[in-house]
Amino acid sequence: GAGVSQSPRYKVAKRGQDVALRCDPISGHVSLFWYQQALGQGPEFLTYFQNEAQLDKSGLPSDRFFAERPEGSVSTLKIQRTQQEDSAVYLCASSLLGGSAYEQYFGPGTRLTVT
Amino acid sequence: DAKTTQPNSMESNEEEPVHLPCNHSTISGTDYIHWYRQLPSQGPEYVIHGLTSNVNNRMASLAIAEDRKSSTLILHRATLRDAAVYYCILRDLTQGGSEKLVFGKGTKLTVNP
Repeated sequence: GAGVSQSPRYKVAKRGQDVALRCDPISGHVSLFWYQQALGQGPEFLTYFQNEAQLDKSGLPSDRFFAERPEGSVSTLKIQRTQQEDSAVYLCASSLLGGSAYEQYFGPGTRLTVT
Repeated sequence: DAKTTQPNSMESNEEEPVHLPCNHSTISGTDYIHWYRQLPSQGPEYVIHGLTSNVNNRMASLAIAEDRKSSTLILHRATLRDAAVYYCILRDLTQGGSEKLVFGKGTKLTVNP
């Protein structure tokens, strides 16, 4: 079946531009996560949705980062006024239900380069 | 979240077994031990998880020490496709436990032909 998809796969933005990254989770998955992965590091948690409710946004590094999942399926991570330190791979993951018992399925990520 | 410690890198030969260690000396009674791996240019993928008993699935085996302060992921016959970064992660599965995965730097496994 279809896995988690993300678009675009690669994005180059000039410093100061706004970007929007899209995640299509596995159909029917309740939980959706965003992670940020810097080069050579493990992924770091950004935010978590259960259906359309954003239950945890403790990992968002600044108020320039905003995520939404208005209908409980597709999610968008928006970064305003991008900075060079925002350059990273942004990973989306979904899981069937809420609760830590369920494995997370990851998409291939969006590589963002801010020049 | 309890921390885990893994070697930065390991090397193996194709078709030989690989034992990837993980130390988690501050593990709590409700922490499950999860392993994910990340192949080059891909997102992480779930490998296996366990609580106290050793676990086997089609991908790997997980051996958990009796005191639960360490565990070992075992790939029985490494293939070139197993070259990846392997992450050992503790997850509290009690009600209200954090949903997020907390990744360390993991172990980069190189498989030689």
